[in-house]
Amino acid sequence: EIVMTQFPATLSVSPGERATLSCRASQSVSSNLAWYQQKPGQGPRLLIKGASTRATGVPARFSGSESGTDFTLTISSLQSEDFAVYYCQQYNNWPPSFGQGTKVEIK
Amino acid sequence: EEQLVESGGGLVQPGGSLRLSCAGSEFTFTNYWMSWVRQAPGKGLEWVANIKEDGREKNYVDSVKGRFTISRDNAKKSLFLHMNNVTGEDTAVYYCARGGTRGDYWGQGTLVTVSS
Repeated sequence: EIVMTQFPATLSVSPGERATLSCRASQSVSSNLAWYQQKPGQGPRLLIKGASTRATGVPARFSGSESGTDFTLTISSLQSEDFAVYYCQQYNNWPPSFGQGTKVEIK
Repeated sequence: EEQLVESGGGLVQPGGSLRLSCAGSEFTFTNYWMSWVRQAPGKGLEWVANIKEDGREKNYVDSVKGRFTISRDNAKKSLFLHMNNVTGEDTAVYYCARGGTRGDYWGQGTLVTVSS
């Protein structure tokens, strides 16, 4: 199984600031990498697919990038509704696997 | 807007059985692979199983093989997860997701608690 490692575990950011979240795969997943946002009591919401393509309805302040087995989610200017837990997930191999999540909290 | 609604969770004893259901609406259910993904309390996400559009192909994570069965009823736009011989490690919120290996849309989840 491919192991996905996210860092940091917690990111403290002020509203309006930039947030950069990282994810590393234990082996190549090509560009088959997704990012999700999850708020308490809710199911995950797909933000990014194919490492860098925003899902339908996702604001432009969310962007994804890749470099080999390293992936980055950037939120350019944090809004109040963006404070949540973010997960990366590879879907290149079975079973699909998730990172442990990065909690973005208000500084 | 696409919607998925899970039901059927609850308290079940170790070794017992439970059937989860997921109703899909506002999209063409028969056009998509569907999946179950779970999240243990305070933990991360684990992909449990998926099923092809016509139900003829299914995949399971090793930890549930031989105990869980995924199925679907396309006429009723419904997805199911039959859980047998459950253990405490199966305690989790179970989510229904549209997609076979990537969840484009998710439900709110249903909680399964395994305890005596």
